[in-house]
Amino acid sequence: DVKVTQSSRYLVKRTGEKVFLECVQDMDHENMFWYRQDPGLGLRLIYFSYDVKMKEKGDIPEGYSVSREKKERFSLILESASTNQTSMYLCASSLGQGDNSPLHFGNGTRLTVT
Amino acid sequence: GNSVTQMEGPVTLSEEAFLTINCTYTATGYPSLFWYVQYPGEGLQLLLKATKADDKGSNKGFEATYRKETTSFHLEKGSVQVSDSAVYFCALQSGAGSYQLTFGKGTKLSVIP
Repeated sequence: DVKVTQSSRYLVKRTGEKVFLECVQDMDHENMFWYRQDPGLGLRLIYFSYDVKMKEKGDIPEGYSVSREKKERFSLILESASTNQTSMYLCASSLGQGDNSPLHFGNGTRLTVT
Repeated sequence: GNSVTQMEGPVTLSEEAFLTINCTYTATGYPSLFWYVQYPGEGLQLLLKATKADDKGSNKGFEATYRKETTSFHLEKGSVQVSDSAVYFCALQSGAGSYQLTFGKGTKLSVIP
């Protein structure tokens, strides 16, 4: 069974801090994704990666960056956290290219920026 | 661009009631369609999918049929249980070579005994 593990369930950070959210998958998946989930807005894609060292912007990349140095690990970085980045962050992975490849999600990291 | 619209929640039903959650989409080409479910405190997990027109996806008593003529993928279950209480997301993946899913905003379902 695919396992996507996010390193923290809850994080509290201060405005201006640099924040790292880590995600690891154990099934050799090609694609990895970072979403944020907010009430009334659903899931919005921040960044995704389809290969090591490759990254693509999603719908809301501003204020975020990512790193994929190894296939199994995909990190989301908030360079200077702000209160409007308080949210639930969900990491996901999928097997390969395109059609019919469902996403497998981690349990999420709830980030609070004060 | 692609978009998914699903019915506003929350939806509250009594146990054994019939469930419908409406989902319509806008997409170029021939998308694949999915329903994901999020139980409290957990990430999303795939519930069912359909990859072409008239396909029916089914799992755990839930069903949805891909209707190209009405651009819809409504989720149904004949008899809900308390354990079905969760948030349900409709999503589409558009076209060959696409990596991304576009999600609806989610519908929260509460089933009361």
